[in-house]
Amino acid sequence: DAKTTQPNSMESNEEEPVHLPCNHSTISGTDYIHWYRQLPSQGPEYVIHGLTSNVNNRMASLAIAEDRKSSTLILHRATLRDAAVYYCILRDENTDKLIFGTGTRLQVFP
Amino acid sequence: DGGITQSPKYLFRKEGQNVTLSCEQNLNHDAMYWYRQDPGQGLRLIYYSQIVNDFQKGDIAEGYSVSREKKESFPLTVTSAQKNPTAFYLCASTLGWESDTQYFGPGTRLTVL
Repeated sequence: DAKTTQPNSMESNEEEPVHLPCNHSTISGTDYIHWYRQLPSQGPEYVIHGLTSNVNNRMASLAIAEDRKSSTLILHRATLRDAAVYYCILRDENTDKLIFGTGTRLQVFP
Repeated sequence: DGGITQSPKYLFRKEGQNVTLSCEQNLNHDAMYWYRQDPGQGLRLIYYSQIVNDFQKGDIAEGYSVSREKKESFPLTVTSAQKNPTAFYLCASTLGWESDTQYFGPGTRLTVL
């Protein structure tokens, strides 16, 4: 299974954009890049996913490097409710497993 | 409202006792999953089921058992054979096995005394 590497923690001020990086240098051609986030004592929540092209939804944007070895989750205007652990996950199209790492803990300050 | 429910939210058991965690979904999803999360760690897959009456071991199935007799229900039994059962247990479901989005329940925190 391909692995992902994320910083342990990041900080942001409210209303500012946040760029959460993820490295996945061993990604294969069939691996989708997924992002989930988890608030304390809750189950993870789907954020966004993509394969090759950049993706946008109401929650965030996903920027994928041309070589697909890294990606960045972009929160355009952080709010206090965005404080969570963000997981960058690769889903193998063949096995369909989601491998959760330790994620990035995002702190948002007012 | 559609969603996944897990009960109870907190569960305490004595060492050596089996305990069953409930997971119910009314999303009409075919696939269901059980994960375990330890403090400060990511999720690890215990068991998954692609369809009713079928389930497969995940990465850490030892000491656990499941059943999938109904589409909406996927209970997990933590047996006395599980050496370190204290953890946060999460249930999830997807529309189909190849669906992109997993929907998670609120979790059950199991503490074995």
